[in-house]
Amino acid sequence: EAGVAQSPRYKIIEKRQSVAFWCNPISGHATLYWYQQILGQGPKLLIQFQNNGVVDDSQLPKDRFSAERLKGVDSTLKIQPAKLEDSAVYLCASREGRGQRLNQPQHFGDGTRLSIL
Amino acid sequence: GQSLEQPSEVTAVEGAIVQINCTYQTSGFYGLSWYQQHDGGAPTFLSYNGLDGLEETGRFSSFLSRSDSYGYLLLQELQMKDSASYFCAVTTSGAAGNKLTFGGGTRVLVKP
Repeated sequence: EAGVAQSPRYKIIEKRQSVAFWCNPISGHATLYWYQQILGQGPKLLIQFQNNGVVDDSQLPKDRFSAERLKGVDSTLKIQPAKLEDSAVYLCASREGRGQRLNQPQHFGDGTRLSIL
Repeated sequence: GQSLEQPSEVTAVEGAIVQINCTYQTSGFYGLSWYQQHDGGAPTFLSYNGLDGLEETGRFSSFLSRSDSYGYLLLQELQMKDSASYFCAVTTSGAAGNKLTFGGGTRVLVKP
């Protein structure tokens, strides 16, 4: 089974520029998550999709961050304009998401390491 | 909101046993998970406890006490490859569906 694919692996931009990250979840996984992980901290949920609908975006800074999951498969996360405090690893995860099996694990990609200069 | 507390760092030698404690405060609690993350890598799932008690998976075991809002991950027969960060995470359920909230992580350093 192929894992969660993310690109790019690394990105360096200057503040106020824009950037986009791409995620391809495990085939058949209905639920997709984007997390922000600042160095030395745990992942923090930004947005959760169920198929192509947003389930939870309460922690997404909507003035600068946006995400979409067209057709319920791939997803993109965009930051515009970037700030210095956005330097972090952006992780995508997916989960089968069917039924109420709460012990279903989330499967993570390797993430995109974003550095803001 | 949710809060989780776990030690920031633990150091041990190969072959030893390490216990990583996690205490949490949350509403809508369903279960406690543990994830391992090597430097520069993806978090990978280790275990899930939805009920009180001990779950054993090879050298790793995880425990949950819902009444004490407490759990731990036990790493036995430590190996060098176990050097990584370990995160506890609570699963909560609400109007927005199931959600995973991570603790700050415990960095485990295994020495020869």
